[in-house]
Amino acid sequence: DADVTQTPRNRITKTGKRIMLECSQTKGHDRMYWYRQDPGLGLRLIYYSFDVKDINKGEISDGYSVSRQAQAKFSLSLESAIPNQTALYFCATSDGQGLNQPQHFGDGTRLSIL
Amino acid sequence: DQQVKQNSPSLSVQEGRISILNCDYTNSMFDYFLWYKKYPAEGPTFLISISSIKDKNEDGRFTVFLNKSAKHLSLHIVPSQPGDSAVYFCAASAYAGNMLTFGGGTRLMVKP
Repeated sequence: DADVTQTPRNRITKTGKRIMLECSQTKGHDRMYWYRQDPGLGLRLIYYSFDVKDINKGEISDGYSVSRQAQAKFSLSLESAIPNQTALYFCATSDGQGLNQPQHFGDGTRLSIL
Repeated sequence: DQQVKQNSPSLSVQEGRISILNCDYTNSMFDYFLWYKKYPAEGPTFLISISSIKDKNEDGRFTVFLNKSAKHLSLHIVPSQPGDSAVYFCAASAYAGNMLTFGGGTRLMVKP
């Protein structure tokens, strides 16, 4: 079983709809992240959380919100989806103990907004 | 403005030869650098990293070189294998933190 699981893997929806992408992890990591990937731009950070009660904006948080329901769960919401939010979305986790711990990624959610 | 850049969108090499992937950065506060590999329909997987106190780190066929004065790092894969065909992302962080800034990626194709 995957250590970092994202659901759904693919989603097609219409402009204006509310969308929730979910992420759960079994790695026991306290830090979780949401990124989006666009061609040629790499991965850009949307939101991150270092603990259940900690939520921080990343580079491109406008139009998104998150919820850290438990240490193992971190969900990303698009309150009113727009076409330029069409992208590949990744959740990641890392261990907060020690310096420079690498991030571990889920397999992504491909989101298309028509 | 992108703080981490991978100027080659793609690279093609012959099996058994060396692959060299390059990455440039602009933020002098970056002190930790990572390379990730990504296959289609999968998430990025951590490959190798280097701290700014070093100029080289080696792990099997993979070696990362860091030139701080030039703000440049490179990933060498020797010998290249067809299974190495993937997109490679360079990433950097500052202050020993977990916040990563990614480059745009380079697609490596290793031909048999």
